[in-house]
Amino acid sequence: GAVVSQHPSRVICKSGTSVKIECRSLDFQATTMFWYRQFPKQSLMLMATSNEGSKATYEQGVEKDKFLINHASLTLSTLTVTSAHPEDSSFYICSANRDQRTEAFFGQGTRLTVV
Amino acid sequence: QKEVEQDPGPLSVPEGAIVSLNCTYSNSAFQYFMWYRQYSRKGPELLMYTYSSGNKEDGRFTAQVDKSSKYISLFIRDSQPSDSATYLCAMRTFQGAQKLVFGQGTRLTINP
Repeated sequence: GAVVSQHPSRVICKSGTSVKIECRSLDFQATTMFWYRQFPKQSLMLMATSNEGSKATYEQGVEKDKFLINHASLTLSTLTVTSAHPEDSSFYICSANRDQRTEAFFGQGTRLTVV
Repeated sequence: QKEVEQDPGPLSVPEGAIVSLNCTYSNSAFQYFMWYRQYSRKGPELLMYTYSSGNKEDGRFTAQVDKSSKYISLFIRDSQPSDSATYLCAMRTFQGAQKLVFGQGTRLTINP
């Protein structure tokens, strides 16, 4: 199956700093990628849809200035958590599809801990 | 009412048992159906992908879709302790932004 790589897998940062998470599609081009957040023992919560060459579409309740998304190429989307606070600590996961009719493949996830 | 309903469990069965996991949905526009397995602190791993009613088999896994009843199932035969994970159903429409709608996930434990 297709491979989606996410980096880093774990990050610990100090409160007030910014953290960048990368999501790459390794063997296909993805015009659209998705960013999710997952709390312990809960399902995935869609945060935003990342569109190559245009602004991301954020879900209701997600602060776009807090969670900056850049989709600069067909194989790379980045999520930057700005001015991180302890409540931003969570598991962040990205996904990508080859095209509109195919299944979504997920990255390995990034566990963010803000101290 | 949520668009996709999935019993969160937890579900615990002995090794070798047949496991049945289910999801119901309310949106008749859903056309694509997926089952993912997620181990703790890992990203979801695609197990099955279907887009028509009926059964699809892959090894010990069988996915079943009944669009008339808006009901999907995943069966695991000869369950193994390594199958212990959270299983998520997901689905989406043909149109739109390819957004997936997930069930709550079912935590499954296979006891040796």
